[in-house]
Amino acid sequence: AQRVTQPEKLLSVFKGAPVELKCNYSYSGSPELFWYVQYSRQRLQLLLRHISRESIKGFTADLNKGETSFHLKKPFAQEEDSAMYYCALSLRGTSYDKVIFGPGTSLSVIP
Amino acid sequence: EAGVAQSPRYKIIEKRQSVAFWCNPISGHATLYWYQQILGQGPKLLIQFQNNGVVDDSQLPKDRFSAERLKGVDSTLKIQPAKLEDSAVYLCASSLWRASGSDTQYFGPGTRLTVL
Repeated sequence: AQRVTQPEKLLSVFKGAPVELKCNYSYSGSPELFWYVQYSRQRLQLLLRHISRESIKGFTADLNKGETSFHLKKPFAQEEDSAMYYCALSLRGTSYDKVIFGPGTSLSVIP
Repeated sequence: EAGVAQSPRYKIIEKRQSVAFWCNPISGHATLYWYQQILGQGPKLLIQFQNNGVVDDSQLPKDRFSAERLKGVDSTLKIQPAKLEDSAVYLCASSLWRASGSDTQYFGPGTRLTVL
């Protein structure tokens, strides 16, 4: 069955330190992966998607099909990065997509 | 552009009562999703509409939950009767359908339901 795992429920790092939020997926097809973020008192929103191969707010994520991973990385964490992060897997259908979310990782950046 | 709208934002009911949530997606978005998010967990898909047809309701507890999408635009999710374990945030999201690849989901603010 398709699933998304995020092994860390909570992650604390100091400001300026590198941060890596882990995401692993299980899917035998061709995956499309996303990272969504929810800042305090805000809506869940897209952070980045793997097909765009772009850096958003200093974050990048590389799809590693061999390791079935899509880890989110940032070289220097900022206090405003504190939020809940969800990895999501989109299963492409002929007429619609099914999206599976991971359980989320709460990132806390310590000043 | 206006985002996804949901109402009410908060609802407190007693078990065995009924409750309904409303969602207005972004104009032109063919796909509408209802998620249940229990505290400490990721969003769990309850039902997905493509225009006004249901494409996935495999995780919807159909003995108590129902949903409809009126004319392929607004949607309502109903719980009747509610149980304690239904306490959660109910999220509505919408997206375009693109043949070229999966599109971004845009989320509403959610409805926080507390069942006493």
